Amino acid sequence: DAKTTQPPSMDCAEGRAANLPCNHSTISGNEYVYWYRQIHSQGPQYIIHGLKNNETNEMASLIITEDRKSSTLILPHATLRDTAVYYCIVRFHRNSGGSNYKLTFGKGTLLTVNP
Amino acid sequence: GAGVSQSPSNKVTEKGKDVELRCDPISGHTALYWYRQSLGQGLEFLIYFQGNSAPDKSGLPSDRFSAERTGGSVSTLTIQRTQQEDSAVYLCASSPRLAAFSGNTIYFGEGSWLTVV
Repeated sequence: DAKTTQPPSMDCAEGRAANLPCNHSTISGNEYVYWYRQIHSQGPQYIIHGLKNNETNEMASLIITEDRKSSTLILPHATLRDTAVYYCIVRFHRNSGGSNYKLTFGKGTLLTVNP
Repeated sequence: GAGVSQSPSNKVTEKGKDVELRCDPISGHTALYWYRQSLGQGLEFLIYFQGNSAPDKSGLPSDRFSAERTGGSVSTLTIQRTQQEDSAVYLCASSPRLAAFSGNTIYFGEGSWLTVV
């Protein structure tokens, strides 16, 4: 799976948009970008995923650059409960075998939402 | 149930004892994963089950670790002769089908916190 690079930590004011960047310059054409988050003492929680088009759901928006070498997760109105470690993961999507079913977690970005 | 269920939620055991951790995946999910997370560390893949296929055990750290999945549903992770370095939260996850094929997501349980004293 392609390696991702994220800043180790970020701060955001409550009510403001949180923009979390991720670089994945070695991503290949059949790899998806996934975002998960882990709130302290809980299991990871799926947020959103995409291939090349921007995606939006009730939790967040995912903006993927045209060359797919980077992406940004946007939490439009961050709350204190959004304080968590956010993981950006890229993973193969293909119809053959291999170990492409795993999610390989890096160190992520610790987002702290301040009052 | 609505989500992935794990038990026990907390376990304290003496060094050298065996422990069993249980995972109930989401109903209908054919793929099941075990991960481990030590204090302050990232998630470490342990093992993966998919239907009746041979599991991927490549992440198991030693032969003291083993896992079974009976009837394609419930899974048990067993740690024999526990050591202090085994102290971690053990996370189970499940997916509707081979997530790589369809981009489906993987859903995690709350974890079993193991402390070896």
